[in-house]
Amino acid sequence: GQQVMQIPQYQHVQEGEDFTTYCNSSTTLSNIQWYKQRPGGHPVFLIQLVKSGEVKKQKRLTFQFGEAKKNSSLHITATQTTDVGTYFCAGIYGSSNTGKLIFGQGTTLQVKP
Amino acid sequence: DAGVIQSPRHEVTEMGQEVTLRCKPISGHDYLFWYRQTMMRGLELLIYFNNNVPIDDSGMPEDRFSAKMPNASFSTLKIQPSEPRDSAVYFCASSFWGHNQPQHFGDGTRLSIL
Repeated sequence: GQQVMQIPQYQHVQEGEDFTTYCNSSTTLSNIQWYKQRPGGHPVFLIQLVKSGEVKKQKRLTFQFGEAKKNSSLHITATQTTDVGTYFCAGIYGSSNTGKLIFGQGTTLQVKP
Repeated sequence: DAGVIQSPRHEVTEMGQEVTLRCKPISGHDYLFWYRQTMMRGLELLIYFNNNVPIDDSGMPEDRFSAKMPNASFSTLKIQPSEPRDSAVYFCASSFWGHNQPQHFGDGTRLSIL
């Protein structure tokens, strides 16, 4: 079935270090969204990638969509304590506008000050 | 603008009791989603509605779970009878029509079944 695998599950970094989380799908995605959930909070939409090979940046965050539209990554440069939380990718399959997202398991980021 | 509103924020009840979770989506959104989040299983989609009609309930764990959306501004998720393994955070989310639209999540209901 449709499944999005996300790695790593956990990542501990020192403040100032970089961080990357990866998402993989066995089948081609229509598009992919990224969400962030702070501890005790709810998922909040960060960005959406639609085109093959697309790269988008939000300040220190860089999002990539693979050429085959089967994988994606989120890279944070020079992490800060405010980056703490769980980052989810969520894929959409097919061209129909069903609105259904398939969420990855998430990567929980801890940042030591 | 008001976001997705869920109630209650916390619920603690005993096994066997009926539990009703409530959600008010963002006005104008066509889709409404119910998710369950646990450490073991992550974020699971339970059911979603489009224009108040249930589209996919394949994620509903068993017959003890039911969801309704009587109008565009209100939805409920009911568990009857509740069991300790139903303890989780339940999120409601809504979005506009279209598969490229972001989902907006409520603050969630933290449910504990004793």
